[in-house]
Amino acid sequence: AQRVTQPEKLLSVFKGAPVELKCNYSYSGSPELFWYVQYSRQRLQLLLRHISRESIKGFTADLNKGETSFHLKKPFAQEEDSAMYYCALRTSGTYKYIFGTGTRLKVLA
Amino acid sequence: EAGVTQFPSHSVIEKGQTVTLRCDPISGHDNLYWYRRVMGKEIKFLLHFVKESKQDESGMPNNRFLAERTGGTYSTLKVQPAELEDSGVYFCASSQGTSNEQFFGPGTRLTVL
Repeated sequence: AQRVTQPEKLLSVFKGAPVELKCNYSYSGSPELFWYVQYSRQRLQLLLRHISRESIKGFTADLNKGETSFHLKKPFAQEEDSAMYYCALRTSGTYKYIFGTGTRLKVLA
Repeated sequence: EAGVTQFPSHSVIEKGQTVTLRCDPISGHDNLYWYRRVMGKEIKFLLHFVKESKQDESGMPNNRFLAERTGGTYSTLKVQPAELEDSGVYFCASSQGTSNEQFFGPGTRLTVL
């Protein structure tokens, strides 16, 4: 069955430090991977999708099919990056997202 | 543009009662999705409408849940009768095409006592 795993419930880093939020997936076909972010008292919003290969707010994520991973990275964390981050998988031929349990990122001053 | 809206934002009901959640998608979005997150678990897909038709309802937990989208505009999700395990946050999302980004609403927090 398709699955997304985010092993860390909470990740705390200091401002200016690098950050990596881990995401692994299980799916035998060709996946679409996404990162969604939910800031405090705001709605879920798309941060990145692997197809577009763009960098948003300094975040990047590379799909590694060999390791079935799609880790989210940022070289220098900012306090405004504190939020809940969800990794999501969409399998070919379906339109629903399969979400991980989310990682809460806290960036400390 | 207001984005996806959901009503109510919070609902507290007693076990056995009925609750109806409403979602208004972004204007022009034919695709509408319902998801929910129960405490401590991942956000899970419930169902997908294309206009007024149910495209995929594989995530609906049981027959106490009924979703409708009459006229292909707003959607309702009714839980009848509600059970304790139905507590959680119910999200609605909409997209223009099925391969496009899904835009999420703020969610409805349902508490069943």
